[in-house]
Amino acid sequence: EAGVAQSPRYKIIEKRQSVAFWCNPISGHATLYWYQQILGQGPKLLIQFQNNGVVDDSQLPKDRFSAERLKGVDSTLKIQPAKLEDSAVYLCASSLDAPEQFFGPGTRLTVL
Amino acid sequence: GIQVEQSPPDLILQEGANSTLRCNFSDSVNNLQWFHQNPWGQLINLFYIPSGTKQNGRLSATTVATERYSLLYISSSQTTDSGVYFCAVRRLNDYKLSFGAGTTVTVRA
Repeated sequence: EAGVAQSPRYKIIEKRQSVAFWCNPISGHATLYWYQQILGQGPKLLIQFQNNGVVDDSQLPKDRFSAERLKGVDSTLKIQPAKLEDSAVYLCASSLDAPEQFFGPGTRLTVL
Repeated sequence: GIQVEQSPPDLILQEGANSTLRCNFSDSVNNLQWFHQNPWGQLINLFYIPSGTKQNGRLSATTVATERYSLLYISSSQTTDSGVYFCAVRRLNDYKLSFGAGTTVTVRA
């Protein structure tokens, strides 16, 4: 069974530029999560989707971050405009009916 | 929100040694997972263990939900065990996983 796929793996941008990340969950997993992991810390949830609906986006900085999950499968996370403090690893996870979550390899973002 | 505390923050082991990592949490949970984050940043699922004891090779875990803690045991450590170990919990009637700050394990040959 294929795992959670993410791209790109690495991205370097300058502040005020925009960037987008892509995630493809494990086949059949209805729930998809985006986490932000700042260096030295544990991951923090940004947004959770159930199929193509948002369940929780309370931690998403909506002035600059947006996410969508059209058709309830793939998802994209966008940052526009990026700030220096957005430098982090962005992790996508998915889960089936059980609470156990499975994570992708992450996208490492550096904002200069 | 729920508080998740991991100890120790750092652990240095000689190859072949055994160790115990601890995770304390502040509220009732219906999900507890242990992860190993490798040097490339990938979170590898080790255990899904909201209660009870599980074993997988040289690793085992125990969660005592009533006392709000979980333990991860590493036996006969190898250099490939190096990395950061995270405990993450999901509170009842909540959706998100809340992570601890992690334990950084370094195994020396």
